This record gives sequence, structure tokens and C-alpha cells, in this order.
Amino acid sequence: EAQVTQNPRYLITVTGKKLTVTCSQNMNHEYMSWYRQDPGLGLRQIYYSMNVEVTDKGDVPEGYKVSRKEKRNFPLILESPSPNQTSLYFCASSLSSTGTRSTDTQYFGPGTRLTVL
Amino acid sequence: DAKTTQPTSMDCAEGRAANLPCNHSTISGNEYVYWYRQIHSQGPQYIIHGLKNNETNEMASLIITEDRKSSTLILPHATLRDTAVYYCIAYVDGQNFVFGPGTRLSVLP
Repeated sequence: EAQVTQNPRYLITVTGKKLTVTCSQNMNHEYMSWYRQDPGLGLRQIYYSMNVEVTDKGDVPEGYKVSRKEKRNFPLILESPSPNQTSLYFCASSLSSTGTRSTDTQYFGPGTRLTVL
Repeated sequence: DAKTTQPTSMDCAEGRAANLPCNHSTISGNEYVYWYRQIHSQGPQYIIHGLKNNETNEMASLIITEDRKSSTLILPHATLRDTAVYYCIAYVDGQNFVFGPGTRLSVLP
């Protein structure tokens, strides 16, 4: 089944303890992206990757890192989490990201609910 | 940059058609319009997309005006499981899906 998977689905941690949220897709997609969703603020893009070894900042990148060493995986790293990073996180992928192709359709993972105490 | 505006909320009776409008007056000629929905806090689910022509799939129909300044998502026979937040999206910079607040659709029994 074509899908985007995220792990863990739920995580409670403490301030300053490094964590990684994994994202994997099995559709051979070039483009991957991370979003966070907060009440009243909607979905905001954190980082995205156009291809292996190519990453760039989205709208809210502060406090996050990403890497894209393999096409299928795009982990989100919080080196020193803080309470303001408590949020619902989504990973997404698409075959392309041009704004003008039908293959730009993004598919989302189930989400990771993170609480930082 | 193409931005979208949608009504904050709508109600629809179960079994009736739900028509969700979206304004995207600044969309450029080659940008697609995408529709997603989010049920509770699940991952956004792709519904449909279109460029110029009307589109239909197993989930919904998409009607795009000739000037492409607006579109309407139609759920032909809404069920209680269609209660969700519906997002209309147009690409910005070709790299970023910009999600607005969407329309909260409530399907009523």
C-alpha cells in the first residue's frame, strides 16, 4: 500500500532532550516536507526537500533540523526541544513540486503529536 | 503568489450535496487548485485537483470558473463521515502548499 509513515505517533518529552521523528514513504517520491499544526494557526511548513541531499527552510524552521540521505526517509530532528514546539506534526511527500504539474499532489502521513514539558 | 479565501464554516444535511466555495483570484495561469480535507487531527487527505477543466473522481467534483478566480468543491451526497475541515490550496512559489484556515463542514443528520 502506498503510504507515508511517521514514528512515533505520540511522544511526551522534556525540555532539552534531543529527539527525532521519522518519516518514510514508499512511493519513490522526490519531494518531502514537514508541517506543524497548531490551533488557530493552521498548517505551517517547517522544512522541505526537493531531492536527496537537497533541503530548504519553510516558514517556521527555527529549532528544527532535517536530513535527506535517502529518497524514502526524511527525519525531523529537534536538538533541544522547548515547550513552544509542542504541536501536531505531519510529514508529506509528492512525486514533484513545481506548482504546475498534476504530480505535485502531496500525500500526508498520520501525524505525530509531540508534547514538550 | 496565489492565496485562497474560504467561508469559515458551513452546514449540510446528510444526503444532500455539499458545495464548498473557494476564491483564488490571484492564481496564475498554470497553477493547479488542490482540495484536501482533515478529519479531526488526522493527516490531510487529498480529494481532488484541477487546472482549468471541471474534474470528477470517486470522492467529489471540482468546478472551476472560466476565469479561474474561484472554484467549488461538490460532495454529491454528503454523509456524516464527510464532516471535516476542507482546504482549498493553490501553489505558492511552486514549493509550498499554503494551508489557510479552511472551511469547517458539518454534515447534520
